[in-house]
Amino acid sequence: SQQGEEDPQALSIQEGENATMNCSYKTSINNLQWYRQNSGRGLVHLILIRSNEREKHSGRLRVTLDTSKKSSSLLITASRAADTASYFCATMNNNAGNMLTFGGGTRLMVKP
Amino acid sequence: EAGVVQSPRYKIIEKKQPVAFWCNPISGHNTLYWYLQNLGQGPELLIRYENEEAVDDSQLPKDRFSAERLKGVDSTLKIQPAELGDSAVYLCASSLGKNTEAFFGQGTRLTVV
Repeated sequence: SQQGEEDPQALSIQEGENATMNCSYKTSINNLQWYRQNSGRGLVHLILIRSNEREKHSGRLRVTLDTSKKSSSLLITASRAADTASYFCATMNNNAGNMLTFGGGTRLMVKP
Repeated sequence: EAGVVQSPRYKIIEKKQPVAFWCNPISGHNTLYWYLQNLGQGPELLIRYENEEAVDDSQLPKDRFSAERLKGVDSTLKIQPAELGDSAVYLCASSLGKNTEAFFGQGTRLTVV
């Protein structure tokens, strides 16, 4: 079973535009993580945000977390063609130790 | 530092045959995960190890799947016998511990024909 649900499932934008992906989850969490996956490759960790944090930045990435709404968003600013990939959110739950549960992902295409 | 290493990268087998995947996690990482990923979907957890102990294996189809993590380091995942529906990418990941990120290997793409 999957804890997180990403929205939208697919997103197509022009280079230079911003891309926003959303993630909703069901149970209380210790942290929420975002990963990126290029076609045919393994997942690469992007950002980890803890349950007591509300916003985190890393380069062109901005992640927000709203635990009251059980939701998170990933914003990629000034997108590039190289940002084309699938993006997944994953949650670590309070009662499940280090269990890391993934959502279905958002497939982002950035057109040059 | 080497990342998570998986082998083989690709495997094609006939149904009913056995297959095994191997994973070498990052040195010092106590937590090891095996995930299954179908095309266009997110990874689904098969089993999680804390050192040599399997602590989450409720999603592992135990009639045909087995896993082990000897000495709390390398791990193998086995399917016997394989079915057509087992065709997928099998991902291994490791992490340092609680509330830390996971590092993934490149995965093994299994095709059962």
